[in-house]
Amino acid sequence: NAGVMQNPRHLVRRRGQEARLRCSPMKGHSHVYWYRQLPEEGLKFMVYLQKENIIDESGMPKERFSAEFPKEGPSILRIQQVVRGDSAAYFCASSLGAGDTEAFFGQGTRLTVV
Amino acid sequence: GNSVTQMEGPVTLSEEAFLTINCTYTATGYPSLFWYVQYPGEGLQLLLKATKADDKGSNKGFEATYRKETTSFHLEKGSVQVSDSAVYFCALSEGAGGYNKLIFGAGTRLAVHP
Repeated sequence: NAGVMQNPRHLVRRRGQEARLRCSPMKGHSHVYWYRQLPEEGLKFMVYLQKENIIDESGMPKERFSAEFPKEGPSILRIQQVVRGDSAAYFCASSLGAGDTEAFFGQGTRLTVV
Repeated sequence: GNSVTQMEGPVTLSEEAFLTINCTYTATGYPSLFWYVQYPGEGLQLLLKATKADDKGSNKGFEATYRKETTSFHLEKGSVQVSDSAVYFCALSEGAGGYNKLIFGAGTRLAVHP
């Protein structure tokens, strides 16, 4: 049973370009969380999705950031018109159910904006 | 709002030394508490957890006890190994809305030397 798969592992974008980060949850998991880790900091919650629904996006910047988790396919975190401050590691986690179940993390996508 | 504070690193120890990494939290209600470990270039792995006061989580020789009176969840290990070198994150689950939204501390880097 493969773990949470994120791709790409490393992504370099020029300022103003778009970044698309993908997350395939563990098999059977329908709950996905995205977190951002700035250099030398802890992870910060961004968004929580269930299949086809955004449940909590309280940690998402109001502009340029969006997330989706379609019925088929991976969850996508999309950052439009990237700026240098978007450079960070973005981690996805998935869980079998809501509540207090364990969330399994992917290896992350390290985004560098040049 | 809810928050987690953990001791700053890096923590540098010799092999077989005793380890303590302090973690305190601020929360409304009774959150679940977690320790995650991040090895270089990897995602986060759940190390241990405790879901209610006085619970002790343990795994791989690591232990932490949920202390409601001191709002703490300190991580301990009696004899560290070089392979324990990693970044350790304390986290709480807000649990509001019935899902596992995690609030992380800033992380503590541990370096163990032979």
